[in-house]
Amino acid sequence: SYDLTQPPSVSVSPGHTATITCSGDALGETYVSWLQQKPGRSPVVVIYHDSKRPSGIPERFSGSNSGNTATLTITGTQTLDEADYFCQAWDVSTGVFGGGTKLTVL
Amino acid sequence: QVRLQESGPGLVKPSETLSLTCSVSGGGFTSGESYYNWVRRPAGKGLEWIGRIYSGGSTLYHPSVQRRATMSIDTSKNQFSLRLTSVTAADTAVYFCATVRLPEDYFDNWGPGIPVTVSS
Repeated sequence: SYDLTQPPSVSVSPGHTATITCSGDALGETYVSWLQQKPGRSPVVVIYHDSKRPSGIPERFSGSNSGNTATLTITGTQTLDEADYFCQAWDVSTGVFGGGTKLTVL
Repeated sequence: QVRLQESGPGLVKPSETLSLTCSVSGGGFTSGESYYNWVRRPAGKGLEWIGRIYSGGSTLYHPSVQRRATMSIDTSKNQFSLRLTSVTAADTAVYFCATVRLPEDYFDNWGPGIPVTVSS
């Protein structure tokens, strides 16, 4: 099965830039989405098609995908961005999630 | 705005069958705009994709549950369902139903989730 690897945790100070990576074989050849999940809440997609933002997602969220690594960047991180973040891709139509990264803002 | 709501038992005994239903409101259920998915998140772990069904009934499952999972859809009731047989404690999780928007292929709507515990 196809595996997506994320760092378990990332810490960032408020107002600074947070970077979360997602690695997989030839990941750049497929589209990646990023989902945010806060405790007790449903996931919300913040990035799809590598770098597109759904309506209502702040501009501070951006994404890129090349080679074997996709990256979620949060510029000017706010305390309300503290959450678990998951990358997601389709492997021959089978859904795959990364293991998740806990973003701590402190 | 599409809204999803999961329903089903919160407690299932080991070796028995878990049955969940997702009710969809707000339109678009049979328009071919979406796939209908089940995703779960065990406590302390990450999201796990279980499978998806299209409005025409075609299905696809994750290999890890393929032998035990069955999804169905009832367009007259705007519902789709998941059956998972021979459950074990490893199936304990919060289960979410979610739509994948076509053709963009991303998860655009989620239900609030339903916690399911497998225990005797």
